[in-house]
Amino acid sequence: SAVISQKPSRDICQRGTSLTIQCQVDSQVTMMFWYRQQPGQSLTLIATANQGSEATYESGFVIDKFPISRPNLTFSTLTVSNMSPEDSSIYLCSVSSGTGGLEQYFGPGTRLTVT
Amino acid sequence: EDQVTQSPEALRLQEGESSSLNCSYTVSGLRGLFWYRQDPGKGPEFLFTLYSAGEEKEKERLKATLTKKESFLHITAPKPEDSATYLCAVHAGRDDKIIFGKGTRLHILP
Repeated sequence: SAVISQKPSRDICQRGTSLTIQCQVDSQVTMMFWYRQQPGQSLTLIATANQGSEATYESGFVIDKFPISRPNLTFSTLTVSNMSPEDSSIYLCSVSSGTGGLEQYFGPGTRLTVT
Repeated sequence: EDQVTQSPEALRLQEGESSSLNCSYTVSGLRGLFWYRQDPGKGPEFLFTLYSAGEEKEKERLKATLTKKESFLHITAPKPEDSATYLCAVHAGRDDKIIFGKGTRLHILP
């Protein structure tokens, strides 16, 4: 399985600012996914990031609020823009297994608190 | 609408007390059902994939089973280190999206 790292692991940010979260994978992968996990809630997919194309956003998430970059096959960033306290959450990146299986493997997450 | 429901929300067991967690799903064209374990402050850790009704997978004290409408995660003689949130997810349709349930928080008392 892929080894995934995320930076930062946690941050406390002021309302109205932006934070960029980095996701690094130890192998080349076609698809990377960004999720949000709010307290007591299930993981919600924000967008799917393919290298060389625009990210595909899920209903309720827009590019202006959550711009994503995917410069190569091992790296992606998610920016949370113009933050409000409602953006406080854990943000996770994941990748498909790449071995023919359908499962995804997750990074350790970034815990964001907006004050 | 595709949906995944897990029960119970929380479960407290004594060490050695076996039990089962439930994941019921309503999806069109199930391609796979997944179980994950998530420890506090960490990302979900993949446990099992089940592809068709009747399939079973085992790992240590855990056994996952699948029917056409639900999956069970059976925990046999659990230990305190099995305490975690267990997440169920399904992969349905033609894209690569998976849908997660809210999880079951399992606490094993020594």
